[in-house]
Amino acid sequence: SQKIEQNSEALNIQEGKTATLTCNYTNYSPAYLQWYRQDPGRGPVFLLLIRENEKEKRKERLKVTFDTTLKQSLFHITASQPADSATYLCALGSGANNLFFGTGTRLTVIP
Amino acid sequence: GAGVSQTPSNKVTEKGKYVELRCDPISGHTALYWYRQSLGQGPEFLIYFQGTGAADDSGLPNDRFFAVRPEGSVSTLKIQRTERGDSAVYLCASSKTSGRTGELFFGEGSRLTVL
Repeated sequence: SQKIEQNSEALNIQEGKTATLTCNYTNYSPAYLQWYRQDPGRGPVFLLLIRENEKEKRKERLKVTFDTTLKQSLFHITASQPADSATYLCALGSGANNLFFGTGTRLTVIP
Repeated sequence: GAGVSQTPSNKVTEKGKYVELRCDPISGHTALYWYRQSLGQGPEFLIYFQGTGAADDSGLPNDRFFAVRPEGSVSTLKIQRTERGDSAVYLCASSKTSGRTGELFFGEGSRLTVL
């Protein structure tokens, strides 16, 4: 079955720096990959989508890359702020089927 | 409503009891998903509906779990003979379509505690 790993359970960075989160997958060929943000006690909120034929996607301070050869996606938050502190989840999908989530990385931006 | 609504937000029950969790999706969303999330883990897929039918129920852990969506809108997740291991947050999400890029809109979840 598919396996989705996110680089670490927790990541601490200084305010203003760029946060880089990693999502690796095996035994799967996703057609697209999504990133979600989840705050404590809340449901995940969609951030970005990138398709298999796209290398990079940007939205404001967010940037996502997708390397189907390495089976990896990188998620960057530039000029990080304490309000960016949350858990970030990657999710892989294929065709018209369901979405499989990784375990998440808890990001803390230190003022 | 404006978003996905889940009730109850919290449910405490005893081992062996029957539980129903309700999800009211965003109006007009045809796809509906149930996920289960344990502490420190990502959402684990349970079942996906397209309209009234379960398009994929491969994530249901065993036959104690069942879900329905009789009119293609509200869905109910039913758990029989609950066990302590069923304790988790049950998340519902809806999507406009089941297409290749369907962004999921999640509810706040129903936290189930089985004593």
